[in-house]
Amino acid sequence: NAGVTQTPKFQVLKTGQSMTLQCAQDMNHNSMYWYRQDPGMGLRLIYYSASEGTTDKGEVPNGYNVSRLNKREFSLRLESAAPSQTSVYFCASSEEIYVEQYFGPGTRLTVT
Amino acid sequence: RKEVEQDPGPFNVPEGATVAFNCTYSNSASQSFFWYRQDCRKEPKLLMSVYSSGNEDGRFTAQLNRASQYISLLIRDSKLSDSATYLCVVLSGGSYIPTFGRGTSLIVHP
Repeated sequence: NAGVTQTPKFQVLKTGQSMTLQCAQDMNHNSMYWYRQDPGMGLRLIYYSASEGTTDKGEVPNGYNVSRLNKREFSLRLESAAPSQTSVYFCASSEEIYVEQYFGPGTRLTVT
Repeated sequence: RKEVEQDPGPFNVPEGATVAFNCTYSNSASQSFFWYRQDCRKEPKLLMSVYSSGNEDGRFTAQLNRASQYISLLIRDSKLSDSATYLCVVLSGGSYIPTFGRGTSLIVHP
């Protein structure tokens, strides 16, 4: 039982490049989330998926897109990376909305 | 005023001490509350949910004070391994966007 897994662990991009961050959970959770964490800012929600087939914007969605591929997988895409997107990205899942979330190990992204 | 506020610390305490953190929230419609622990360069890990009646898990006790709009975390008999950043999380009615506090840093020294 791996919980929440994320790939890659580290990534360096040049401005304008695109990439997709992958997230998968094996806990049969309905809800999944993408956060970014910046020094001094705390965790901020980018997008979430309350259940398979739905996605909604969080607090800071600009510059990102998401896909809930199936119940297990939720990906985050940066179409044209910018230095302001340098951050640590965490994926999380929960049984339902409003209950405790479980986080993946994170992806450290640097955009130069 | 920020929606969820925490004293960043650091709280520097000796092993065996009792330490308490508070987290204030501004939305009176908030309905779910959690404490997470985050070690340096690691993911947040759920420490405990906070119930209206308060709850205890070993050395950790969480309380909710709706009248004054804050939650608290008490750690008794601190261990070196308790050194971490403690995040409070608030979910408000009508919104599925959880609000994280910026965290309180705890350092337990020998």
